[in-house]
Amino acid sequence: AQKVTQAQTEISVVEKEDVTLDCVYETRDTTYYLFWYKQPPSGELVFLIRRNSFDEQNEISGRYSWNFQKSTSSFNFTITASQVVDSAVYFCALSGANFGNEKLTFGTGTRLTIIP
Amino acid sequence: GAVVSQHPSWVICKSGTSVKIECRSLDFQATTMFWYRQFPKQSLMLMATSNEGSKATYEQGVEKDKFLINHASLTLSTLTVTSAHPEDSSFYICSAIPAGQRPHEQYFGPGTRLTVT
Repeated sequence: AQKVTQAQTEISVVEKEDVTLDCVYETRDTTYYLFWYKQPPSGELVFLIRRNSFDEQNEISGRYSWNFQKSTSSFNFTITASQVVDSAVYFCALSGANFGNEKLTFGTGTRLTIIP
Repeated sequence: GAVVSQHPSWVICKSGTSVKIECRSLDFQATTMFWYRQFPKQSLMLMATSNEGSKATYEQGVEKDKFLINHASLTLSTLTVTSAHPEDSSFYICSAIPAGQRPHEQYFGPGTRLTVT
């Protein structure tokens, strides 16, 4: 069975501070994908990143960066110089890599509030 | 590209009535679609996997007779909440995988907010 744990339920930081959202996962699959999604108050999921289990390189996209560590089964997400527009609920998710095993397992989400 | 729409975006219905929610892939064909449910301030929970031309596969604990799923074409899946009750009030989100695409390419619709009074 697959499981995704986001231990941080809510985080509040002052604008321009850096913030890291934690994600720990469990899976028996040898090949899998990890995702981060942003859900603003409108409810629509916004795709942020997808990472293959074979690719442990960290990734940076603007103010966003992701740290994938297979040894600790973690896929953490850092926002640098946070902005009010970053306020949202962030979900980490996991899926298998094979056809028929592609359903997503979501973590419980972290509600991020950026204080102006 | 890869746009998924849902209709309606929100709906209010009376207890005991049925509600149909549509999920459409606008610019691609999707052999597989998923239906998720999200209660307020909670995570997304997969309800069922919808495969074109075959019966949906429901997750454990989801009543298949209550949540009817029909994937009648490669661009449309429908979720019908039958005899809705207030506890069915939730945010329903669908996603779709483009036919022939690798399984991790999943695109989400904007969601449908259902309120049962």
